[in-house]
Amino acid sequence: EPEVTQTPSHQVTQMGQEVILRCVPISNHLYFYWYRQILGQKVEFLVSFYNNEISEKSEIFDDQFSVERPDGSNFTLKIRSTKLEDSAMYFCASRSGTGAPGYTFGSGTRLTVV
Amino acid sequence: DQQVKQNSPSLSVQEGRISILNCDYTNSMFDYFLWYKKYPAEGPTFLISISSIKDKNEDGRFTVFLNKSAKHLSLHIVPSQPGDSAVYFCAAISLNAGNMLTFGGGTRLMVKP
Repeated sequence: EPEVTQTPSHQVTQMGQEVILRCVPISNHLYFYWYRQILGQKVEFLVSFYNNEISEKSEIFDDQFSVERPDGSNFTLKIRSTKLEDSAMYFCASRSGTGAPGYTFGSGTRLTVV
Repeated sequence: DQQVKQNSPSLSVQEGRISILNCDYTNSMFDYFLWYKKYPAEGPTFLISISSIKDKNEDGRFTVFLNKSAKHLSLHIVPSQPGDSAVYFCAAISLNAGNMLTFGGGTRLMVKP
């Protein structure tokens, strides 16, 4: 069964450092997303990406965040200057864009900012 | 802003019995409702969805019921199995508003052998 792959599974970084979280969505999917879940809280939408541009973003997705699809297969989330409150599980998801909108999620990257 | 709400943080049922997970929403513009299952250290796994124009969708042991007038949906799992023990998230999507999923807070289901 096709999978969304995320790397690394766990990233520890110092406050103020830049991090890049990587995702390989399912190959024929057209829509890509980042979500995050702070420990004990809801899964929250960050950003959606379609046709090589951001289509929607939440209030969480401020100027410190950016996304890229540099080579047609990878989909990355960059946090320029991490804060303690960025510590969370970050999930990448993709969907085909046809039929019922069932997303496929990756297994997540646990980001710990110290 | 809690557009999707799961009021029960946990539910415990006996193996073989029915599990009923509930979800309420406030936004009448949602087009689809979805249920996801999540194990620790894994991403959410899609289980079943229902269009806002339907009132029931069934897939094997899983059935989702939608009551639009009450803005309420439920997931029934029957018979429940120990492997069903996980956190279940209700989510909703509005196709005209960015296609992003709005999640409920989750319900932890424990199925006891």
